[in-house]
Amino acid sequence: DQQVKQNSPSLSVQEGRISILNCDYTNSMFDYFLWYKKYPAEGPTFLISISSIKDKNEDGRFTVFLNKSAKHLSLHIVPSQPGDSAVYFCAASDIGDYKLSFGAGTTVTVRA
Amino acid sequence: DAGVIQSPRHEVTEMGQEVTLRCKPISGHDYLFWYRQTMMRGLELLIYFNNNVPIDDSGMPEDRFSAKMPNASFSTLKIQPSEPRDSAVYFCASSTDKTGAPNTEAFFGQGTRLTVV
Repeated sequence: DQQVKQNSPSLSVQEGRISILNCDYTNSMFDYFLWYKKYPAEGPTFLISISSIKDKNEDGRFTVFLNKSAKHLSLHIVPSQPGDSAVYFCAASDIGDYKLSFGAGTTVTVRA
Repeated sequence: DAGVIQSPRHEVTEMGQEVTLRCKPISGHDYLFWYRQTMMRGLELLIYFNNNVPIDDSGMPEDRFSAKMPNASFSTLKIQPSEPRDSAVYFCASSTDKTGAPNTEAFFGQGTRLTVV
């Protein structure tokens, strides 16, 4: 049973607008969350992370929000650029555990 | 560092044949992970090692799958015999806890696309 769920398989957004990707998790022991980005024929690369002691982490155009009570996190990309077109994976782990559980991914397409 | 290196990049094999996927982790990393990516389930963890020792193999789908890590710089994932439903992209990743941080991101290889016909 998947403990990390990304219910939107795809997202299309116009260049310059905001992209919002959502992720839900079921395991209450998770306290470290990551987003990975994947281009075709490449491995996933780390994008941004957040620990459960925070509710927001920002890195340039990327911001991750965490709502622990709802077991929900989201990734905001502002403004979206064509190079952001990729598959985005949400991942989670217990603190001190290096095993990551991944969602199924959301394919983002940024239209010019 | 060259990053995590996987070989081959592509593998096409006939059903029933043995398949061996190879991985060289980033030097100094003490965690190694094998993941499988499918359309339906995304990235699934198959097995991971810490200091060359298998820690959790609960994600290995069947006895047809086996993984080894004979030393800190090499790991294999073997499927014997292979079946068409094993067709997927297999990723190897590595990480380390030597930074002192409670968690750290894993670095992925480029993957091996396996097709079993």
